[in-house]
Formats: sequence, C-alpha cells, structure tokens
Amino acid sequence: AQKITQTQPGMFVQEKEAVTLDCTYDTSDPSYGLFWYKQPSSGEMIFLIYQGSYDQQNATEGRYSLNFQKARKSANLVISASQLGDSAMYFCAMSTTGSEKLVFGKGTKLTVNP
Amino acid sequence: ETGVTQSPTHLIKTRGQQVTLRCSSQSGHNTVSWYQQALGQGPQFIFQYYREEENGRGNFPPRFSGLQFPNYSSELNVNALELDDSALYLCASSSKQGSYNEQFFGPGTRLTVL
Repeated sequence: AQKITQTQPGMFVQEKEAVTLDCTYDTSDPSYGLFWYKQPSSGEMIFLIYQGSYDQQNATEGRYSLNFQKARKSANLVISASQLGDSAMYFCAMSTTGSEKLVFGKGTKLTVNP
Repeated sequence: ETGVTQSPTHLIKTRGQQVTLRCSSQSGHNTVSWYQQALGQGPQFIFQYYREEENGRGNFPPRFSGLQFPNYSSELNVNALELDDSALYLCASSSKQGSYNEQFFGPGTRLTVL
C-alpha cells in the first residue's frame, strides 16, 4: 500500500521569499509518480509538478521545483519568490504504475504574508 | 479545450436520502476518477471509470456507485446517505496517454448531510 505523509499542517512565508513544503512517501513499487497539487479555497485541485521515480533530474516548473531524494523517500516542494496568490492548501500525492488512483497526504496550509 | 465541470456546486441532503453528483470530463479524456475529501483531509479515492467500465475502487461501500457515459460525462451516486458522507466530492479526468496520467480536477461538489 502507498502512503503519503505531510508533517507540516501550516507554514508561513514572507512575500518574495522561498519556502519548502515537506512530503515523505512509502511504497514497495519500484515505479511510481509523485505529484503536487494546490487547492485554493475554491476547492479545485490545481496540478503543479510531477516527478517520476526513474527521473534522474529534479522536476521544475517555473517557480516550483521538486527536491526528490529517492533514498530518503522524500519529495519536497520548493516554491521560490512566494506571491500572495500562493496562499492555499498544498497536497502531495503519488500513484504507482498500473494504478490510476492518486493517494494524497493530509496537506499543508501555506500562508504568504505581505 | 474545456475543463472539467461538476454540478451542482453545493447540495444539502438529509440522512437516508440518495444523491447524484455529475461530472463533465475534459474533451477526449476516457478516464474519470472520483474522490471524497472530508474537511481538513486529503482526497480519498472512491473509484475510477475507464471507457464506461469500473476500473478500480477504493475502500468505499457499495452504496457508492458510478456511471460513465460515451459523451465524457459521469455520475457518482450515493444511497442511504450518512452524516459522515458530508464532504467535497471531486472528479478528475485523464486520457491514459504519456508517461504519466495527469488528472485534471473539477471544482468539486460540496455535499452536506443533515
């Protein structure tokens, strides 16, 4: 079974600073994918970034980067130059090859202060 | 390309009633997944439909059922509603193409059971 752990219920960051949101995972499958989603108060889950278990390089998408440490089973999200609009819930999720379902963590609430 | 839409936005039901939630997938997507997100939690996988057949199910009782139609729309039906069914219900569509199947989420239906 897969499991995602997000240990930070809430995080605060000053506008324009960088912030790291933690995510650890557990799976016995050798092939898996890791995702980060942003959920504003409106409820919609917005895809941010993806990392495959066999990808050699850390994924980056604009201001988002994923710090993938396979041996430690961690997939932390780094947001650079935080903006007020980044305030939201952030969820780490994973899927394994052959299984379409996403397993989510409990999320981290990020608040960006002006 | 239109996004994923869900209806209704909000719904209030009483215990024991039945409810149908609707989702319109992104054009060309042949896979739809449904998730239940209780307050303060990450989404939990209910089930997935691929080409109108159930293609995986999470730990939810049979009173949670679904349908997928050829026009990319789908339904989630819940019978004999219980208070714990109060949650945000999210549908997500994907196309089973590429190295990973990015799931595009709708805005959700917030169900309250009284």
